[in-house]
Amino acid sequence: EIVLTQSPGTLSLSPGERATLSCRASQSVTSSYLAWYQQKPGQAPRLLIYGASSRATGIPDRFSGSGSGTDFTLTISRLEPEDFAVYYCQQYGSSPLYTFGQGTKVEIK
Amino acid sequence: HVQLQQSGPGLVKPSQTLSLTCVISGVSVSSNSATWNWIRQSPSRGLEWLGRTYYRSRWYNDYAVSVKSRLTVNADISKNEFFLHLNSVTPEDSALYYCARGGSGWYNDYWGQGTLVTVSS
Repeated sequence: EIVLTQSPGTLSLSPGERATLSCRASQSVTSSYLAWYQQKPGQAPRLLIYGASSRATGIPDRFSGSGSGTDFTLTISRLEPEDFAVYYCQQYGSSPLYTFGQGTKVEIK
Repeated sequence: HVQLQQSGPGLVKPSQTLSLTCVISGVSVSSNSATWNWIRQSPSRGLEWLGRTYYRSRWYNDYAVSVKSRLTVNADISKNEFFLHLNSVTPEDSALYYCARGGSGWYNDYWGQGTLVTVSS
């Protein structure tokens, strides 16, 4: 089973600042099958990035994804008030078919 | 515009079967490019994928090993919906359950609103 470890657990930043979130896999992940999601309280997760770096429909360009192998990064270039949320990475293809990281909370400093 | 609408009980007794429905609008459940997934979320387990069904000339299923012996995921083309049936539930199955589409076969681009399920007598 591929384990995804996200860091940091919590990121305290101010609006306008840059956020860098890490997702590290216990084994190599096919880049095509790495995704990032945003979840706000009381809502379902929302797809942000798939294929490690492709933005989903309607996602602002301040969100970007990068990485390969076992190390992946989600960057939010300038935090907007609506970006404070929990972010999850997800891999597809290894048993179990999908695994998620434990999440990084981006909170207002 | 794709939408997923979930329904089902919020309370299930231990040893009984949890059944949830996800009604799909905007795309056919028999689409050859989508899969239909169930994912749950709890404080102890985080986000956990449970299983999926999809149609590629015939129906296929995949299940997480952790629930494989207890889970059935199937679909009804005539009603454009799919289902989760989890039997022999225990309190450890208490969670927020989501249905979600696997767009292009994998990334979860559309989600239901979630159903909070409590297993308790």
